[in-house]
Amino acid sequence: KQEVTQIPAALSVPEGENLVLNCSFTDSAIYNLQWFRQDPGKGLTSLLLIQSSQREQTSGRLNASLDKSSGRSTLYIAASQPGDSATYLCAPHSGGGADGLTFGKGTHLIIQP
Amino acid sequence: GAGVSQSPRYKVAKRGQDVALRCDPISGHVSLFWYQQALGQGPEFLTYFQNEAQLDKSGLPSDRFFAERPEGSVSTLKIQRTQQEDSAVYLCASMRPNTEAFFGQGTRLTVV
Repeated sequence: KQEVTQIPAALSVPEGENLVLNCSFTDSAIYNLQWFRQDPGKGLTSLLLIQSSQREQTSGRLNASLDKSSGRSTLYIAASQPGDSATYLCAPHSGGGADGLTFGKGTHLIIQP
Repeated sequence: GAGVSQSPRYKVAKRGQDVALRCDPISGHVSLFWYQQALGQGPEFLTYFQNEAQLDKSGLPSDRFFAERPEGSVSTLKIQRTQQEDSAVYLCASMRPNTEAFFGQGTRLTVV
């Protein structure tokens, strides 16, 4: 069964800093990995999708990397802003069913103005 | 619609009451997932549909939970005889196979 760990669990930093959020997973047989953000009381918003054949994916100030063989992904946030405050979740995707998308507990991020 | 739509957004149920939660996926999305999210936790898998077929229901916590997707589009998650431990946010996601998953806003269920 796929298990996902996200480190750190929580992070509070001043505005403008560059950040790295870490995600590790136990089963490397994945199709892709997706990063989401979740604002309080809201659903999940997709940020980036990395296919298993890719090493990196970029969207604006966000860059996600994937090392499938070692079961690791990182989300890099450049020049953080207060609007980036949210919980960030990674989800490796192993197909349908219970392993379709597996989540950890996320990283709760606060960017101080 | 443009995204995954869930209704109601909020539901308060008395203990023992039956509830039905609805998910309208993105048109053409074959795969549909239901998740349960407790406060401060990540989403936990409940069940998975491919079109109208329920291929995995291993995450449903008890036989009080039932999900269907009779025509391969709209899905309903039903909880019978609700209990306080059922209080959570219920999330629905849809996708084309092995592509990006899109989530709805969720239904927050409170059992009193």
